[in-house]
Amino acid sequence: GDSVTQMEGPVTLSEEAFLTINCTYTATGYPSLFWYVQYPGEGLQLLLKATKADDKGSNKGFEATYRKETTSFHLEKGSVQVSDSAVYFCALPNYGGSQGNLIFGKGTKLSVKP
Amino acid sequence: DTEVTQTPKHLVMGMTNKKSLKCEQHMGHRAMYWYKQKAKKPPELMFVYSYEKLSINESVPSRFSPECPNSSLLNLHLHALQPEDSALYLCASSQVSSSYEQYFGPGTRLTVT
Repeated sequence: GDSVTQMEGPVTLSEEAFLTINCTYTATGYPSLFWYVQYPGEGLQLLLKATKADDKGSNKGFEATYRKETTSFHLEKGSVQVSDSAVYFCALPNYGGSQGNLIFGKGTKLSVKP
Repeated sequence: DTEVTQTPKHLVMGMTNKKSLKCEQHMGHRAMYWYKQKAKKPPELMFVYSYEKLSINESVPSRFSPECPNSSLLNLHLHALQPEDSALYLCASSQVSSSYEQYFGPGTRLTVT
């Protein structure tokens, strides 16, 4: 079945460092891809999305490019801030299962130190 | 208004209690969801309502009973829960269930004693 694999965390960076969180997927066809972020004590927020190959999603300085050749959707940010500390989830729709069901990766916890 | 609200924020209940979680959105979304999230895990889908009708029940035990009184409100009724049901319960909504851009509420932290 379809699946998402994220790099294991936690990831600890200093402020202004470059961030990459790897995400690869296994799916039939070309699904939409999402990054959700969960700040401490909060629900999830949609951070960015891409709906087709070579699309680049971007928001709040974060970017991710849909690479069908490598089935990847890595999250990047050029200069992280303490306020970016959160758990990041890569996700894709479960088209083969229940409508509305998202397949989430396990999540990557990011801690940014001042 | 792109907000999904949930009440209460925290809930502690005994195994014989009956309680309800509430969720509200005013974005005109026609799909609403309940998720359960254990610590350090991704959310797990429990129920999906589409146009106020239950469309998906992901084999959730009957001690969890969802209700959608209208297009803006979603409840989750709890009865005879077990300690292992302690978790963060998240509500979400989307325009329709075929749109996977879901907006999440802040969650209710449930502890079953």
